[in-house]
Amino acid sequence: QPQLQESGPGLVKASETLSLSCSVSDDSIRSSSYYWGWLRQPPGRGLEWIGSMSYKGNTYYNLSLKSRVTVFSDTSKNRLSLEVTSVTAADTAVYFCVRFYPSRFYYYIDVWGKGTTVTVSS
Amino acid sequence: EIVLTQSPGTLSLSPGERATLSCRASHTITNYLDWFQHKPGQAPRLLIYDTSNRATGVPVRFSATGSGTDFTLTISNVEPEDFALYYCQHRTNWPLITFGQGTRLEIK
Repeated sequence: QPQLQESGPGLVKASETLSLSCSVSDDSIRSSSYYWGWLRQPPGRGLEWIGSMSYKGNTYYNLSLKSRVTVFSDTSKNRLSLEVTSVTAADTAVYFCVRFYPSRFYYYIDVWGKGTTVTVSS
Repeated sequence: EIVLTQSPGTLSLSPGERATLSCRASHTITNYLDWFQHKPGQAPRLLIYDTSNRATGVPVRFSATGSGTDFTLTISNVEPEDFALYYCQHRTNWPLITFGQGTRLEIK
């Protein structure tokens, strides 16, 4: 299984754009077998799905965030990325990169990154 | 939206005891349920997928069952390394996935 490593600025100012990257230790991001995605967990709250993408580049987003988020990949660099525009304090969270593995019933998360903490400052 | 409710919020046990963690769905979710373990500073780890299938490398003391709206993760003899947070998650409405709020397994 690959290792996933998230990276980002740590601190973002309100109203700006948050950009995160996830490095994948192998080339499975180029495989048609998997989906890839981002989750987050605000302080003291539960895990929230942000969005996912398929090998073909089809993207799917949480409706509550859809207008502000973009998930994309750079397969030449084995990297998944996330952008969140117009951030507010509510976007303060630990952000996780994940891989989805095919199942009899859609896909399940088989690999997670450790997460990266993002704080939105005013 | 299907809501997952995990209970108890915190489970206090001694090593060697049996842990039973519950995940209840607000609507039927068939077999689209998975369980994860999360320790501080580590990446969460897949334990169980499709309700009852152990992931690669997961010890046999971890087992899970369920159907409809009621699902259970059981750790038959809790080991010191098992004290952690546990989450259930469903994907009935893929690609939307949702999680329970978690159960913390702590040392008594």
